Amino acid sequence: DAGVTQSPTHLIKTRGQHVTLRCSPISGHKSVSWYQQVLGQGPQFIFQYYEKEERGRGNFPDRFSARQFPNYSSELNVNALLLGDSALYLCASSSGTAGRTQETQYFGPGTRLLVL
Amino acid sequence: GENVEQHPSTLSVQEGDSAVIKCTYSDSASNYFPWYKQELGKGPQLIIDIRSNVGEKKDQRIAVTLNKTAKHFSLHITETQPEDSAVYFCAASMRGASGGSYIPTFGRGTSLIVHP
Repeated sequence: DAGVTQSPTHLIKTRGQHVTLRCSPISGHKSVSWYQQVLGQGPQFIFQYYEKEERGRGNFPDRFSARQFPNYSSELNVNALLLGDSALYLCASSSGTAGRTQETQYFGPGTRLLVL
Repeated sequence: GENVEQHPSTLSVQEGDSAVIKCTYSDSASNYFPWYKQELGKGPQLIIDIRSNVGEKKDQRIAVTLNKTAKHFSLHITETQPEDSAVYFCAASMRGASGGSYIPTFGRGTSLIVHP
């Protein structure tokens, strides 16, 4: 079975631009989470979605938004890019049932974003 | 919110030696503790996890211990091999206030270098 997939793998943007990152969860998983990982640090939580409903939001500005589609794939959007948004953006999926997500999250390879 | 401290930041060992990475957490409500291995250019890979109703868990050369009273947990790797070289992250999580979601808080990571 395919794991979590993300696209694109790399992206270069300039300040002020907008970016959309995409994620497909493991087949059968209904929950997707997004993380930002800057060099030398652990992943920082941005959003979590379960069956198209936002279940959590981290301490990120409103320039960051996300959504989940009926097929459980997800998009992360970042507007008005800043130099500090340069990072590895990770998507993780987890299974769930009866409205509750399971504890274990499986990560994709990430999208490396460079803002110039 | 939850705060996870991880030590050391860098660990250098000889092939065949053991390696120990330690983490502490602040919120006694945390009840799920995964460990991830991240190789260069890749997303984090789950290697072992432990729940708060268990004190120790082993999987071949890898073991994790949990001390709920002291709020710390550790990763032990025995008979290290060069392919164990990577960055290791610990995390702590609990089911959210909404009752539905687990959102982990990560440590800053430990860079393990195994010399042949």
